[in-house]
Amino acid sequence: GAGVSQSPSNKVTEKGKDVELRCDPISGHTALYWYRQSLGQGLEFLIYFQGNSAPDKSGLPSDRFSAERTGGSVSTLTIQRTQQEDSAVYLCASSAALGLAGGSSYNEQFFGPGTRLTVL
Amino acid sequence: AQSVSQHNHHVILSEAASLELGCNYSYGGTVNLFWYVQYPGQHLQLLLKYFSGDPLVKGIKGFEAEFIKSKFSFNLRKPSVQWSDTAEYFCAVMYTGNQFYFGTGTSLTVIP
Repeated sequence: GAGVSQSPSNKVTEKGKDVELRCDPISGHTALYWYRQSLGQGLEFLIYFQGNSAPDKSGLPSDRFSAERTGGSVSTLTIQRTQQEDSAVYLCASSAALGLAGGSSYNEQFFGPGTRLTVL
Repeated sequence: AQSVSQHNHHVILSEAASLELGCNYSYGGTVNLFWYVQYPGQHLQLLLKYFSGDPLVKGIKGFEAEFIKSKFSFNLRKPSVQWSDTAEYFCAVMYTGNQFYFGTGTSLTVIP
């Protein structure tokens, strides 16, 4: 597709259940990021993938959160045993390349529409 | 830990007024700087970015931002706002290690 897509757009779940959120990045983009946006908060970095390198998981808030990226394309963010404080919009972004010294097209992140997660 | 601060949480302006939104970041060596905008009901999209060179960068829709290294600032400006500029604005910084840090956002409301 032309942009980053995410599914589902909305997810309502009960406390304690597991959820999976999906992100389809722009074709050919090697970098993929997950963020969490809570009401009144900025974007909280969760995890990023760059090509075949080990992901940077330093932003994951707890071990209930995990993410995979299969075949360097689609990514799934999994939240186990959801809690009410997990309620937020989860955003995915992809980028063509990374590198502080890169050219003008480097590092620009293209965002998906997000998944709004509500934990009851 | 690195951080990005946006001091204006909510700004209300009349059309044609000038806009300046502050953004400061913590020191971390070489950085790339961004402003993103989120219009109501839409995705986050890039307004402008700074990598190197001229510290005054121009973006879409008449926005510009100036990188002042000595002040660790990257303030967003627009000489004359329009009602259609009503949106949430996020400053973002990329440090070495490729991790992005976003500010908490500034909500801009432009009154016609």
